[in-house]
Amino acid sequence: GEDVEQSLFLSVREGDSSVINCTYTDSSSTYLYWYKQEPGAGLQLLTYIFSNMDMKQDQRLTVLLNKKDKHLSLRIADTQTGDSAIYFCAESRVNAGNMLTFGGGTRLMVKP
Amino acid sequence: EAGVAQSPRYKIIEKRQSVAFWCNPISGHATLYWYQQILGQGPKLLIQFQNNGVVDDSQLPKDRFSAERLKGVDSTLKIQPAKLEDSAVYLCASSPTGTAQETQYFGPGTRLLVL
Repeated sequence: GEDVEQSLFLSVREGDSSVINCTYTDSSSTYLYWYKQEPGAGLQLLTYIFSNMDMKQDQRLTVLLNKKDKHLSLRIADTQTGDSAIYFCAESRVNAGNMLTFGGGTRLMVKP
Repeated sequence: EAGVAQSPRYKIIEKRQSVAFWCNPISGHATLYWYQQILGQGPKLLIQFQNNGVVDDSQLPKDRFSAERLKGVDSTLKIQPAKLEDSAVYLCASSPTGTAQETQYFGPGTRLLVL
């Protein structure tokens, strides 16, 4: 099965909070990342968390990490239509340099 | 600061033809990555260079794919001959030294369609 798994699709209303979830399998993951991809564009790093942390907040973004359950989430507060995009979770592992393993992506649709 | 540049942006070829993609990383970045992103999937690493040496090419289909970074700056990725399943977006990324906590900066990608 996939090393990094995400749900395919999430739809929210403008102004609501969005929570995008990700599970991973490798306990040696060192850093976990959230990337955003808009149509026709490359990947933009949103935020990352080191594996010995359980939470990181950056403006409207909150990352929660449950290392025991190997579960990562990204919460976007006050979601805007400009947040509509595909969000990818990725991990890097011990002894794998900076090689990233990506999930399949979650398409976030924000309705006005 | 200029970002990662890739060309061409789009390419349409017939199966069994050859194709090459070019990447110019951010100036001074030692590490360069090529990813393949098939429609509806996340990117998959094909090859990672550190300067002009290969760090990891374990997921590169070496019977048809090749990549080089001869002078440790620009890189080319070639497919010869192409198959239908090679249709994807090919993303290039770079990072300063390749350590785990570094941000990888991605280019806009080259969208390949094999008919």
